[in-house]
Amino acid sequence: DGGITQSPKYLFRKEGQNVTLSCEQNLNHDAMYWYRQDPGQGLRLIYYSQIVNDFQKGDIAEGYSVSREKKESFPLTVTSAQKNPTAFYLCASTSTSGGPGETQYFGPGTRLLVL
Amino acid sequence: GQQLNQSPQSMFIQEGEDVSMNCTSSSIFNTWLWYKQDPGEGPVLLIALYKAGELTSNGRLTAQFGITRKDSFLNISASIPSDVGIYFCAGPRRTNYGGSQGNLIFGKGTKLSVKP
Repeated sequence: DGGITQSPKYLFRKEGQNVTLSCEQNLNHDAMYWYRQDPGQGLRLIYYSQIVNDFQKGDIAEGYSVSREKKESFPLTVTSAQKNPTAFYLCASTSTSGGPGETQYFGPGTRLLVL
Repeated sequence: GQQLNQSPQSMFIQEGEDVSMNCTSSSIFNTWLWYKQDPGEGPVLLIALYKAGELTSNGRLTAQFGITRKDSFLNISASIPSDVGIYFCAGPRRTNYGGSQGNLIFGKGTKLSVKP
């Protein structure tokens, strides 16, 4: 079955530690996105990538980094510079970029907690 | 900048009731999307609207693309317990380069809970 997978489901971070969240899709989608979700805040865009080896900052990129070495993979690293990392992280992808009616498809999410 | 305002923020449903929620903006959108998020899961696309005035159904769900292109409505008929969750509206996000480049802007959601 085609879809988006995120791992792990739960992740614990110690103070000063970098952690990496995985996102993989087998939908052959060009564009991939990372969102952060806090209660009552909706979805806020962290980073996005429309093609391999290229990515752009979203609204809240500080303290995060990404890479896009393969079309199907878009890992997110939460660095020690992110002082409030506890949140639910969602990865999404879409088949077109710039065209009308883009619909994004989401993974199941990773919940990050600070120890 | 662009913003999507969802109303109500939360509501309680009793099984069998009809539910209505809306999404408004001061900006014009040419696409409206409605997603549902179950607790601890990623959002799932329910309905996509592409034309002003369009009315689209998906089972017990009906969504409308407002004539002004600045609002959209979602109705759920005869609600059941599994309808609980958060409902998000979304639309293409304008960039400085024109077009959305696939980016979406989301409302903050309407949370449906079961009446105690």
